[in-house]
Amino acid sequence: AQKVTQAQTEISVVEKEDVTLDCVYETRDTTYYLFWYKQPPSGELVFLIRRNSFDEQNEISGRYSWNFQKSTSSFNFTITASQVVDSAVYFCALSDPNTGNQFYFGTGTSLTVIP
Amino acid sequence: GAGVSQTPSNKVTEKGKYVELRCDPISGHTALYWYRQSLGQGPEFLIYFQGTGAADDSGLPNDRFFAVRPEGSVSTLKIQRTERGDSAVYLCASSYGGGYNSPLHFGNGTRLTVT
Repeated sequence: AQKVTQAQTEISVVEKEDVTLDCVYETRDTTYYLFWYKQPPSGELVFLIRRNSFDEQNEISGRYSWNFQKSTSSFNFTITASQVVDSAVYFCALSDPNTGNQFYFGTGTSLTVIP
Repeated sequence: GAGVSQTPSNKVTEKGKYVELRCDPISGHTALYWYRQSLGQGPEFLIYFQGTGAADDSGLPNDRFFAVRPEGSVSTLKIQRTERGDSAVYLCASSYGGGYNSPLHFGNGTRLTVT
């Protein structure tokens, strides 16, 4: 069965600190996609990144970076030099061909950046 | 361009009443999804449309829930005989072609409160 675990429920950091959000997934498929979404207080889920199971290359986008490791079934998200605007709930999600078009979301990590 | 639009943003109803929640997807997106998000949880899949037809309704909790998309664009989620347990944020999302590799683009959600 497909499952996404985000063990960190809440994290608080002081502005300019780096922070890593953990995501561990389970799937029996060899082909799948992983996603990260940001949900600010306004409520709208904002798509951040997509990664397919065959691409283990880490990705950097500005202050954001993602570390995908199939060996540990993890897809972790790091924010460098955090800012107050990064305060939000972050969700990791998984989809694969055997689930049809269902995306499985973790329970989210609430990040608070303290000025 | 315009994102996914959901109306109303908030809905308060009494137990036993009927409600309709509307979703207007991104223009050109053929796939439309409904998800439900309870407090402190990640979004949970309800139903997926490809065009006018419901391709997967396996997430609908019971037969009080029904959704339509008659012209392949706007969708309405209908809940009959509402119960207090139906209280949640109902999220609509769309994607360009559907499929497990297409990121979902979410609306702001409708917060449903059943009193």
